[in-house]
Amino acid sequence: TQLLEQSPQFLSIQEGENLTVYCNSSSVFSSLQWYRQEPGEGPVLLVTVVTGGEVKKLKRLTFQFGDARKDSSLHITAAQTGDTGLYLCAGTYDITGTASKLTFGTGTRLQVTL
Amino acid sequence: KAGVTQTPRYLIKTRGQQVTLSCSPISGHRSVSWYQQTPGQGLQFLFEYFSETQRNKGNFPGRFSGRQFSNSRSEMNVSTLELGDSALYLCASSPVGTGWVVGPFFGPGTRLTVL
Repeated sequence: TQLLEQSPQFLSIQEGENLTVYCNSSSVFSSLQWYRQEPGEGPVLLVTVVTGGEVKKLKRLTFQFGDARKDSSLHITAAQTGDTGLYLCAGTYDITGTASKLTFGTGTRLQVTL
Repeated sequence: KAGVTQTPRYLIKTRGQQVTLSCSPISGHRSVSWYQQTPGQGLQFLFEYFSETQRNKGNFPGRFSGRQFSNSRSEMNVSTLELGDSALYLCASSPVGTGWVVGPFFGPGTRLTVL
């Protein structure tokens, strides 16, 4: 059974600070996704990474996929209150890379205050 | 493109009843998967359908079942509801088979409460 560890579980910071969330697995991912979820809503896809060492940027968010494809990180620069939410990493281990069966991390609950 | 839609958004049932949830994927997406989200267990994979065939199945009892129609719309059914089935049920669609490795994309979910 693949396990996906996410850290930290909770993060409370002030607006303008930087933060990094980590996602680690004991197995190699075929692809990895990062989502953000608001209470009572479905997860919203932020990024999909598939290549070891890949770095993707989405405005103030930077996503990195480890060279060995066993870990990933999400870095937010100058956090804003609108970044508040539950951040979830999710990986697929399907060798076909279809990304249709995800294993989710436990999530990082981020609170950004003024 | 319109996103993934799920109906109903909220549902209240009593123990022993059965329930059917519906999902319409993003146009052109042929893979539909279902997940259960609870505070204690997080997000867990239920099953995935592709071209009307179940391709993957998670570790849930046989009371949980699903199907997919020729237009890629999907339904999931839970029979003999238990209190522990109270959860947010999420549907996700993927552009599998298109060569586009991205997603899956989730719908807003159906909040099921079992009394």
